[in-house]
Amino acid sequence: DGGITQSPKYLFRKEGQNVTLSCEQNLNHDAMYWYRQDPGQGLRLIYYSQIVNDFQKGDIAEGYSVSREKKESFPLTVTSAQKNPTAFYLCASSMGQGGTEAFFGQGTRLTVV
Amino acid sequence: GQSLEQPSEVTAVEGAIVQINCTYQTSGFYGLSWYQQHDGGAPTFLSYNALDGLEETGRFSSFLSRSDSYGYLLLQELQMKDSASYFCAVRDNNDMRFGAGTRLTVKP
Repeated sequence: DGGITQSPKYLFRKEGQNVTLSCEQNLNHDAMYWYRQDPGQGLRLIYYSQIVNDFQKGDIAEGYSVSREKKESFPLTVTSAQKNPTAFYLCASSMGQGGTEAFFGQGTRLTVV
Repeated sequence: GQSLEQPSEVTAVEGAIVQINCTYQTSGFYGLSWYQQHDGGAPTFLSYNALDGLEETGRFSSFLSRSDSYGYLLLQELQMKDSASYFCAVRDNNDMRFGAGTRLTVKP
């Protein structure tokens, strides 16, 4: 079945540590996105990528990094520079500029302990 | 910059009709989408409008006026399972940005 998979579902991190969230899709989508959602809030764009080996910062990129070495994969690293990383992280993909529908993974809930 | 405005909360009774409005300001615009998200879950796609007018999909309809930078989601024959958060989202050339969401509560 085609879809978009995020792992892990729950993640705990100690302060000062970097952590990488995985996002894989087998929908052959060109565009991939990372969003952060805080309780009761909307989705804020962290990074997005339209093609392999290219990505752009969203509205809240500080303290985060990404890579897009393969079309299927768009991992997000939450670095120690992110001052308030506890949140729900959602990855999405779409067909790119012509895509009208985005498909979301089930999310990763990151907690800093 | 980009901004999307939608009401934070709406309450309605089962069987009723509810309209959730969205106004937007963007540097570029390809279309307006609507997504539903139940608590703890992932957003799921409901509808997309690129051109002015009404799009109907079952109990849900979505409207767009590009000249007014305005759209709405219309939910008819409300059911308890429709209780969720609803987000409007704008596609411009390369990215997709979301509003803060409207929490819909359906009461018996």
